[in-house]
Amino acid sequence: KNEVEQSPQNLTAQEGEFITINCSYSVGISALHWLQQHPGGGIVSLFMLSSGKKKHGRLIATINIQEKHSSLHITASHPRDSAVYICAAEGTGNQFYFGTGTSLTVIP
Amino acid sequence: EPEVTQTPSHQVTQMGQEVILRCVPISNHLYFYWYRQILGQKVEFLVSFYNNEISEKSEIFDDQFSVERPDGSNFTLKIRSTKLEDSAMYFCASIWWGGGSPLHFGNGTRLTVT
Repeated sequence: KNEVEQSPQNLTAQEGEFITINCSYSVGISALHWLQQHPGGGIVSLFMLSSGKKKHGRLIATINIQEKHSSLHITASHPRDSAVYICAAEGTGNQFYFGTGTSLTVIP
Repeated sequence: EPEVTQTPSHQVTQMGQEVILRCVPISNHLYFYWYRQILGQKVEFLVSFYNNEISEKSEIFDDQFSVERPDGSNFTLKIRSTKLEDSAMYFCASIWWGGGSPLHFGNGTRLTVT
């Protein structure tokens, strides 16, 4: 049973395209985290949100608590955005449930 | 910006040997985690640690695994008798307080068991 489901698993886009990655979760959460894993393996936190919407540069994250759904959007995608994007649901007991990740490749 | 540091970055060991993976979480963080990621697979939870004790552990975290915070700064993961299937990237992570702060990851230790 997967507490967190992400889609798509793999995504290839042309530079400049608008990208959406989706995350659905089934557990009660205190926060939803979006992480980026670079080809070298390091994991970086992009967003932590519990309601509404957050924006950092070209990245936007939204969450709908009622529908248990979050999306990560990338506007004007660039090859340097190529990475694996991971959704992680933080449960009410400070445990984290990870999605399988979405592997994004942006082609110049 | 403070960061989580892990050493070594890569460890090669023979099957049956003990390994200790080391992590220094961000100093004012309260919750610490070990995760592993087998090549090409998702990140898997191993154990969480709060207030100097394990707060939760997964089925993967069997008797071969142990964690310690020996001196208030280091956070170690020990694997007593490594198996081939323990080969993975091991990530340490810490968070200041649950539900309101970002999760910070170390760069990982790549463990190769031969």
